[in-house]
Amino acid sequence: NAGVTQTPKFQVLKTGQSMTLQCAQDMNHEYMSWYRQDPGMGLRLIHYSVGAGITDQGEVPNGYNVSRSTTEDFPLRLLSAAPSQTSVYFCASSAKGGTEAFFGQGTRLTVV
Amino acid sequence: EDQVTQSPEALRLQEGESSSLNCSYTVSGLRGLFWYRQDPGKGPEFLFTLYSAGEEKEKERLKATLTKKESFLHITAPKPEDSATYLCAVQQGGKLIFGQGTELSVKP
Repeated sequence: NAGVTQTPKFQVLKTGQSMTLQCAQDMNHEYMSWYRQDPGMGLRLIHYSVGAGITDQGEVPNGYNVSRSTTEDFPLRLLSAAPSQTSVYFCASSAKGGTEAFFGQGTRLTVV
Repeated sequence: EDQVTQSPEALRLQEGESSSLNCSYTVSGLRGLFWYRQDPGKGPEFLFTLYSAGEEKEKERLKATLTKKESFLHITAPKPEDSATYLCAVQQGGKLIFGQGTELSVKP
């Protein structure tokens, strides 16, 4: 089982560039989320989705867009990268609220 | 405001020295409290879910407990392979809210 797959694993961007972080899950989970992890800050929620066509903002949504057109995929778009977006990004999925979340291996993003 | 606070931030133990990690939370409509383990360079890995005060769960040297305001992760006779960051999270609606984690180091 693949579980939650994130691509790419590493990325370097220049300030102002845009890109999409990909996340796919093969467990038919309804809930999917994006987090960023910075030293000393723990995991902070960027955006989340409770089903196809439904998305909502988390704690730190500014500078990021998401869409959920299928159950399997939940891409995260950086519209105009800034150095403050240098971080490790994790995607997670769960069957529903109150059940365990499965995480991808992360994308390490550096914005120069 | 929904909030999760973990303590201590870092814990250094000798092999065999038991201890506890704390997770205190304030959240309306708790739908579950979760413990995860995270190794360097990897995504968090699920350990336990607790749903109601008084509930306890065990796995090898780890035991998680829950009260109305906090959860404890007890580590009995830890081994070096237990070294990792332990994360606590609460489910509120469609969101998981994480604490900042406790970095555990177990020396042989």
